[in-house]
Amino acid sequence: GNSVTQMEGPVTLSEEAFLTINCTYTATGYPSLFWYVQYPGEGLQLLLKATKADDKGSNKGFEATYRKETTSFHLEKGSVQVSDSAVYFCALNPGAGSYQLTFGKGTKLSVIP
Amino acid sequence: NAGVTQTPKFQVLKTGQSMTLQCAQDMNHEYMSWYRQDPGMGLRLIHYSVGAGITDQGEVPNGYNVSRSTTEDFPLRLLSAAPSQTSVYFCASSRSSGGYTFGSGTRLTVV
Repeated sequence: GNSVTQMEGPVTLSEEAFLTINCTYTATGYPSLFWYVQYPGEGLQLLLKATKADDKGSNKGFEATYRKETTSFHLEKGSVQVSDSAVYFCALNPGAGSYQLTFGKGTKLSVIP
Repeated sequence: NAGVTQTPKFQVLKTGQSMTLQCAQDMNHEYMSWYRQDPGMGLRLIHYSVGAGITDQGEVPNGYNVSRSTTEDFPLRLLSAAPSQTSVYFCASSRSSGGYTFGSGTRLTVV
């Protein structure tokens, strides 16, 4: 079946540090890949997505590249801010008309001044 | 603003009580789903629907019922609340594969 594995947190970084949150997946076919962000007390928001191999999704300074050869979709940001403190979820949709998303367990990021 | 609206935001129930969590979307999305979020467990799918009149079970359906009489609404019913159902519940909708829009959640405590 489909699965998503994220690095376990929590992750604590100083402001302006480089961020990487690892995400690997298992899926058959050609899945689409997503990163969602959840700020404290809120629902999940779509951060970025990639629909095919070698695509790069980007938004708000965050980037992730769909690597089919390593089945990975790692989230990166060059310089984090306190306002980036949140929980980040990697997810996949298996494609072929499916609506369902399979989520990783989430990685909590705390950025300290 | 367009989006997914969940009510109530907070609820405390006694064991054995029943209640309905409301979810409405105004984006004409055909797909709607309910998740629960518990510490260390991530998001777990309870029930989902691919259109009016069609519902199906997710990963953790026991103790919950759903119906989808209209495209807009997808209520979640707790039949007889148990402390194990203490959680944060999220409703989500989508028009096509991926790209979910989530509601802001209902924090439920069962005592």
